[in-house]
Amino acid sequence: IVMTQTPLSSPVTLGQPASISCRSSQSLVHGDGNTYLSWLQQRPGQPPRLLIYKISNRFSGVPDRFSGSGAGTDFTLKISRVEAEDVGVYYCMQATQFPHTFGQGTKLEIK
Amino acid sequence: EVQLVQSGAEVKKPGESLKISCKASGYSFTSYWIGWVRQMPGKGLEWMGMIYPGDSDSKYSPSLQGQVTISADKSISTAYLQWSSLKASDTAMYYCARRDYYAISDYFMAAFDFWGQGTMVSVSS
Repeated sequence: IVMTQTPLSSPVTLGQPASISCRSSQSLVHGDGNTYLSWLQQRPGQPPRLLIYKISNRFSGVPDRFSGSGAGTDFTLKISRVEAEDVGVYYCMQATQFPHTFGQGTKLEIK
Repeated sequence: EVQLVQSGAEVKKPGESLKISCKASGYSFTSYWIGWVRQMPGKGLEWMGMIYPGDSDSKYSPSLQGQVTISADKSISTAYLQWSSLKASDTAMYYCARRDYYAISDYFMAAFDFWGQGTMVSVSS
C-alpha cells in the first residue's frame, strides 16, 4: 500500500492552524472493520513519536490541539494552533496490511 | 516505564557483517511486536520488518527480504537486526519500535507507540 502525503512542506504562522493530508493507494479498512492509520511526529534530531492511532485516537500525553480524521483512503492530521514545539516532520503510517508503510513525510516549519 | 534502548553507533566497511540490538524493559517483551525502521540521511521513514518474540513470527518488507535478518532473544528481552554483508547504501539511522499484537479490542492500536533512540550505521570504504 502506497501512502502519499500532501503537502511535503508546510510553512505556518505560530498560533495558526495546520493541516496535512495522507492518501492510501487502497482502502485501509481492515477485515475487522477498523482502520489502522496512525500519525507520528519527528522533531529534529529525535526519534519519531506516536501522536494519533486508528485515524483519530490521541496517544497518551498528546495535546488536544492535534486531531485526526478521515476514512477509507483519505486522512487528515490537523493542528488547531501551531506552537514552536510542533516544528518537525509528520508521517502517516498504515498497519492494516503487511508490509506496513509510511507516507513520505510533511515538514512543518514556522514562517 | 516502557523503554527501548538501542546499541551504539557503528562504523563499518562494505562487505562486513553487523548485528545491532534493541533491549526492551518495562513491559512483557513476548506480548508485543518489535519493528525496525530505516531512515537514510535526510530522508523519510521506511518500514523494514517486525518480529513477534512470543513465537518468533517475522515479517519483512519485500524490498529488504534477504538483505537483513530480524531476530529476538526472549531470555534477555532483546531484538536484533543483522546484515551479513553491508553495502554503502545501508548507511542510515535505524530505529526499533514496539507495536501491539493483534486483538479484537478497543485497546488495540496497531501503531508504533514506543521507540528506541536510534542506532546510526555508517558504511564506507
